[in-house]
Amino acid sequence: GNSVTQMEGPVTLSEEAFLTINCTYTATGYPSLFWYVQYPGEGLQLLLKATKADDKGSNKGFEATYRKETTSFHLEKGSVQVSDSAVYFCALRRTGNQFYFGTGTSLTVIP
Amino acid sequence: EAGVTQFPSHSVIEKGQTVTLRCDPISGHDNLYWYRRVMGKEIKFLLHFVKESKQDESGMPNNRFLAERTGGTYSTLKVQPAELEDSGVYFCASSPSGGQKDTQYFGPGTRLTVL
Repeated sequence: GNSVTQMEGPVTLSEEAFLTINCTYTATGYPSLFWYVQYPGEGLQLLLKATKADDKGSNKGFEATYRKETTSFHLEKGSVQVSDSAVYFCALRRTGNQFYFGTGTSLTVIP
Repeated sequence: EAGVTQFPSHSVIEKGQTVTLRCDPISGHDNLYWYRRVMGKEIKFLLHFVKESKQDESGMPNNRFLAERTGGTYSTLKVQPAELEDSGVYFCASSPSGGQKDTQYFGPGTRLTVL
């Protein structure tokens, strides 16, 4: 079946530190992959996506590369800010319209 | 452009009671989805509407859950009678038809607590 496994949290980093949140997936065929972010008190927002192998999604300094050989889509940012504190969800979409999400990783960035 | 809105933001009810959650999608979006996140677990798909029709309801947990989308605009999700395990955050999302349906736009969620 389809599933997403992402890094357990919570994660606490100092401002300007490097961030990696691991995400691996199980799916048949070629899913589209997504990172969504939920800031406190808000809904999930699309952060970035990639639709085929070797594509790199990027937005707001975050990046993730679709790696089919390792079935991974790790989220990275070179220098985090306090405003990046949120919960990050990795997700995939196969045929059909439903998304499969990971459990979410809570990130707190301290000044 | 207004985003997806959900009402209420929080609901606390007792086991056995009925609760109705409402979702207003982005205007013009034919696709509407319901998801649920139980504490600390993944967000799980419940069902998908295309306009007023249920396209996929494979994620609905049992017949205590009833979703409707009259007129293809807003949607309601009723839980009757509520059980303790129904507690969680219920998210609604919408997407347009055609090439942009890959991206779903989420509401802030309704936090349901069943005591």
